[in-house]
Amino acid sequence: KAGVTQTPRYLIKTRGQQVTLSCSPISGHRSVSWYQQTPGQGLQFLFEYFSETQRNKGNFPGRFSGRQFSNSRSEMNVSTLELGDSALYLCASSLETGRNEQFFGPGTRLTVL
Amino acid sequence: AQSVTQPDIHITVSEGASLELRCNYSYGATPYLFWYVQSPGQGLQLLLKYFSGDTLVQGIKGFEAEFKRSQSSFNLRKPSVHWSDAAEYFCAVGARSQGAQKLVFGQGTRLTINP
Repeated sequence: KAGVTQTPRYLIKTRGQQVTLSCSPISGHRSVSWYQQTPGQGLQFLFEYFSETQRNKGNFPGRFSGRQFSNSRSEMNVSTLELGDSALYLCASSLETGRNEQFFGPGTRLTVL
Repeated sequence: AQSVTQPDIHITVSEGASLELRCNYSYGATPYLFWYVQSPGQGLQLLLKYFSGDTLVQGIKGFEAEFKRSQSSFNLRKPSVHWSDAAEYFCAVGARSQGAQKLVFGQGTRLTINP
C-alpha cells in the first residue's frame, strides 16, 4: 500500500505570494492533518480534515487555509507569504478510528525569500 | 490542553550502548502516546504507540517504551544502538476522543551516535 505523498517536495516563493501544497493520503484513510515544522517552534498542528470538513484547527492566522476533496486528497494554501512561513509542511493521514495513529508524508519544504 | 516535554534536546551515545529518551506529558485523562523518528530532510516515521493495556510497548527497529501513569512519562528505550539510529525523536500525545485527530509534539531529542 502506498504511503502518504506530498507535492511538491520543494518550493521557493517570495514574500506576498501565495502557495498551494498537495497531499494524497494512504488509500482508505479519510482523515488528513497538516503540521508546520520550524526550528524555533517545532511541530505545530495546522488543521485536520475529515469527509471534506475541517474538524480541528490550530492557532494559525487566516492566511493558512485548507480543503479536502471527495477522494480524501487535501490541499493547503498560504496566502500573502511572510518570511516566517518558511518551514517544512507535513501532511499526515489516519483511519477514522478515534485512535489518532497518524502516518506522515515526506513533507514540502517551503522557502520564502 | 495537552502538552509534551522532552527534557533532553541533544543526546550522544556510543554505538552499542543503551539508550533512554525521556518524555513527560500533561493530559487530563489517559492519553494516546506515540514516538516518531525523523531523519534529516524526511517526514516522521511511527516507532511505537500506546493506547491502552500493557504499559510496555514494543515498536519497530528494536525500540520499546514504557507508560508510567504515576510519573506521566513515556520513555523510549533501546538496549543497543546502531549508527543508523542517529536521527531526531519526537514524543507526541493525542487527544482521546472520537473525531479528535490532533497530535501535540514535544520539541524533539536529537540523537548522535559515536562510532
